[in-house]
Parts: sequence; structure tokens; C-alpha cells
Amino acid sequence: QVTLRESGPALVKPTQTLTLTCTFSGFSLSTSGMCVSWIRQPPGKALEWLALIDWDDDKYYSTSLKTRLTISKDTSKNQVVLTMTNMDPVDTATYYCARSDWLSKLAFDIWGQGTMVTVSS
Amino acid sequence: QSVLTQPPSASGTPGQRVTISCSGSSSNIGSNYVYWYQQLPGTAPKLLIYRNNQRPSGVPDRFSGSKSGTSASLAISGLRSEDEADYYCAAWDDSLSGLWVFGGGTKLTVL
Repeated sequence: QVTLRESGPALVKPTQTLTLTCTFSGFSLSTSGMCVSWIRQPPGKALEWLALIDWDDDKYYSTSLKTRLTISKDTSKNQVVLTMTNMDPVDTATYYCARSDWLSKLAFDIWGQGTMVTVSS
Repeated sequence: QSVLTQPPSASGTPGQRVTISCSGSSSNIGSNYVYWYQQLPGTAPKLLIYRNNQRPSGVPDRFSGSKSGTSASLAISGLRSEDEADYYCAAWDDSLSGLWVFGGGTKLTVL
């Protein structure tokens, strides 16, 4: 059974750096085709893709947020970490991690439950 | 503003067939697969359709997807009250606007 779970602070102050961890089980990020993405959703608004890391450690970022994002993986711990710098109240959102299996062309087939992050002083 | 355009709302009565559209461009829908997600209130999105028209195991065949040119559609037949949710389309985008793009979402109301 594939599961993902996001963890991180519920509240961050403006200008601070946010660090989120996605801990997963049921698959390995060293397996060809496997990817993990971060996707966020502000309250009442649409989904927004943020970043992706694949089995080959290739990293891809949303063009609009590229300068603020860093994604990394620890294959031995089955974790993917996202950092976002210079947080602003508009970054208040639920942050999800989701798996993709690119060999099967399955995009975001399994999602974590999400973690709500509020940016406020 | 989302790269993929969806109607903000749709509605239908139980048993009806409803369709939700998703409009993009040659750099996303026009040249890549389309995916659909269902988000029930207060829950994470769930993959509904992949590779334009494929259903993951466990998704009822009442849900179907199609694609033509730079547009795609999700059809729900035999509408049920539990189908009331937000629906999002997504596609890979080959341009500089980002690798993955989502639609703005469509809120489906079952009357």
C-alpha cells in the first residue's frame, strides 16, 4: 500500500523559510519512473504545482516560484523535503505531496492528506 | 489565473449526465496527456482519469475522459449525490510557464 504524509510547521512568520517533509512508504524513489511532487492549495482556491523530484534526482520547479524553492530527497529515509524561502501571507495554503509513476504515465496517483501552513506575524 | 480553463461551476440532477470542459493550448493539452482529479470537501484530491481517458482501478465507469485538440472533457453519467465535489484537470506543459499546470477547478453540485 502506497502512502504519503506531509509534516511541517503549521505557522510561519513572514520572511521566514518553510521546510516541509514528505514521508512515504510502499514505493522507492530509486525505482525508475518514480517521482514525488509538491502541490499547494490556498483556502478556497485551485491547486498549484510547485516542484518535482524524480528517481534520477532530477529536479523541476514552477517557473513563478523557482527562485524560492528547493526540493531534495533522502532515499534511505523515504523522504522528500521542500524548502520555500521568504514566506508571505499569500503562501498560506494546504501543501500536498503526491507520487507519480512516469513509466506508467500515472501523474499524482497517490496524495498525502496535506498539511495546512499559515503565514502570519 | 490558471493556465488551463475550466468553468467554475456545473450542476445536474441525480441520474443525469454532466460534462466538465478543460481548455488549454498546444504546449499543454495539445501535446500531452490530460489528467482529472476529484476533490471531495475537506479531503485531498484523488486521481480520476489518466492518459486522457484511462480510469485507475476502483473508479466507476460512470466517469470518462476525452480529449480533442487543445481541449478535454470529463463526463459523469448516472450522476449521484456523492459526486458533488471539485474537479480539476491537469497536464504537462512544454513551455516556460512550468512543467505541470492545473485548471482552476469546477465545483459540481448535485441538485
